[in-house]
Amino acid sequence: DTAVSQTPKYLVTQMGNDKSIKCEQNLGHDTMYWYKQDSKKFLKIMFSYNNKELIINETVPNRFSPKSPDKAHLNLHINSLELGDSAVYFCASSLSDRQSYEQYFGPGTRLTVT
Amino acid sequence: AQSVTQLDSHVSVSEGTPVLLRCNYSSSYSPSLFWYVQHPNKGLQLLLKYTSAATLVKGINGFEAEFKKSETSFHLTKPSAHMSDAAEYFCVVRPPGAGSYQLTFGKGTKLSVIP
Repeated sequence: DTAVSQTPKYLVTQMGNDKSIKCEQNLGHDTMYWYKQDSKKFLKIMFSYNNKELIINETVPNRFSPKSPDKAHLNLHINSLELGDSAVYFCASSLSDRQSYEQYFGPGTRLTVT
Repeated sequence: AQSVTQLDSHVSVSEGTPVLLRCNYSSSYSPSLFWYVQHPNKGLQLLLKYTSAATLVKGINGFEAEFKKSETSFHLTKPSAHMSDAAEYFCVVRPPGAGSYQLTFGKGTKLSVIP
């Protein structure tokens, strides 16, 4: 059973387009995250939602808009795509009530903007 | 504020020899520490975690790490490298307390295993 799943796995699109990446977790977690991994493998958090409420919103262009329809889903919509948005985007989830709980990551979505 | 430094961007070992991946952290309080592994074109998988219990932590695939507060280190080791260990490894710190959501990732160490 897939714990954290993302669709699509690969996304190739042109500059200026709008695209969405979907994430679902079946772990019963209450917190979900989006990370961006650049070409040098550096991971940086973009957003986090706890019980459908936005709790982390790092310095990210407002072309990026997360949406959490329920605790098991966190989608990422990107408007007016730019070349610099090319990266691998990871979704993750965790429980919030204990410090010991680790984050579980999805397989990633490789976004290529041409 | 917290930070984590992985001291080597690339480590190369021969198959069957020990592995040492170094990580130092900076945190105002006792944090939780994690090591994640990322195989090529894959997501991140948790190897092990430290959460203020035993200072020597055992993880999956024969890896272990020792938390040394005096040295602010959390180095990852394995007695004998296998070809399948070739991957990118990330040391991660999380601030203490329930409800602390934000992980800080190191820049990663690429482990190469030579046959």
